Amino acid sequence: DVKVTQSSRYLVKRTGEKVFLECVQDMDHENMFWYRQDPGLGLRLIYFSYDVKMKEKGDIPEGYSVSREKKERFSLILESASTNQTSMYLCASSLSPAVIGYTFGSGTRLTVV
Amino acid sequence: AQSVTQLGSHVSVSEGALVLLRCNYSSSVPPYLFWYVQYPNQGLQLLLKYTTGATLVKGINGFEAEFKKSETSFHLTKPSAHMSDAAEYFCAVSLNTNAGKSTFGDGTTLTVKP
Repeated sequence: DVKVTQSSRYLVKRTGEKVFLECVQDMDHENMFWYRQDPGLGLRLIYFSYDVKMKEKGDIPEGYSVSREKKERFSLILESASTNQTSMYLCASSLSPAVIGYTFGSGTRLTVV
Repeated sequence: AQSVTQLGSHVSVSEGALVLLRCNYSSSVPPYLFWYVQYPNQGLQLLLKYTTGATLVKGINGFEAEFKKSETSFHLTKPSAHMSDAAEYFCAVSLNTNAGKSTFGDGTTLTVKP
């Protein structure tokens, strides 16, 4: 089975800190995605990547950046964390997203205080 | 562009009763449609998908969904609810363009009463 591993399940950070959320997949997928999940708002796409060093903005990229230096790793960076970035962050990968769908990681619940 | 509307943020059924979770989509081209399930404190897991072909698709845990183009719907059903079905369910739509990224609905929380 494909595994998508998010390095932290729970994180607590202070306002203004630079925060790194790491995601690693083990099935050589080209496509990787970062979503945030908030109650009543479903999943909203932050950034995605369809190849190494390639990245595209999603629907809510403000305040975030990403890095994809290796195919298996896709990092989400909060440049200066704010309280409104407190959320559940979900990473996903796929060989063919439109046809196969996503494999998700377990999520990182980030609290910014 | 595509969008998804899930009707009902909370659905409650009794154990053994029919489960019906509603999903309507909007898409300018033929869509690919998915249902995912999320158990507490976990990521999402793919339940089933419609790409092409048969409009009635079966998934894991006894769930199925029917693609109805005329109604732009992809409702999720299960004949008999089990306590273990209690979870949040998300409908999603993708197009075979723009990296195939999915747009998700707001989710429906299913409660199963004993």
